Amino acid sequence: NAGVMQNPRHLVRRRGQEARLRCSPMKGHSHVYWYRQLPEEGLKFMVYLQKENIIDESGMPKERFSAEFPKEGPSILRIQQVVRGDSAAYFCASSPSGTEDGYTFGSGTRLTVV
Amino acid sequence: AQTVTQSQPEMSVQEAETVTLSCTYDTSESNYYLFWYKQPPSRQMILVIRQEAYKQQNATENRFSVNFQKAAKSFSLKISDSQLGDTAMYFCAFKETSGSRLTFGEGTQLTVNP
Repeated sequence: NAGVMQNPRHLVRRRGQEARLRCSPMKGHSHVYWYRQLPEEGLKFMVYLQKENIIDESGMPKERFSAEFPKEGPSILRIQQVVRGDSAAYFCASSPSGTEDGYTFGSGTRLTVV
Repeated sequence: AQTVTQSQPEMSVQEAETVTLSCTYDTSESNYYLFWYKQPPSRQMILVIRQEAYKQQNATENRFSVNFQKAAKSFSLKISDSQLGDTAMYFCAFKETSGSRLTFGEGTQLTVNP
């Protein structure tokens, strides 16, 4: 079992470009969560998805950010027209269902906006 | 809303000694989970230990143990026989039993000195 796979590991984007972050959950996991870690801070919840559905997006900024988890393929976190403040580590986690007592994290994608 | 507070931004300990990291939380829920995650320089989020609120017995995992004081809403992590590989950022986290998101504290940077 390869665990939660995130790619790319590092991503550099110029201001105004789009960033696409990918997350492949653990085998058998149909629930995916995205968290953002700003420098020197803890992780903050962004969005929770189940296959083809967004369950909770209350932590996601209203503009420029979107997430999907299609029936086939990885979950995608998309950031349009990136700004310097989007620079952060973005973590994905997965679980078999939505209410376990914990879940498995990926190694994160570090986004740098220049 | 739940909040998690880690009042020690940095701590250090000598190799082989014992160190305790503090965490307090605020919630009106009676059933929930508490976690300690370790984040080494590799950035991987690693689950260290978890505690179910309805269990009075403190969780233990090898050299790691917790002191869970439900009434005081306190959840400290004790690391015994500290090793150089324990050097990392440690995050305390909270999750409602019926919910799916984790709420993290701001973290404590632990350095184990040789």
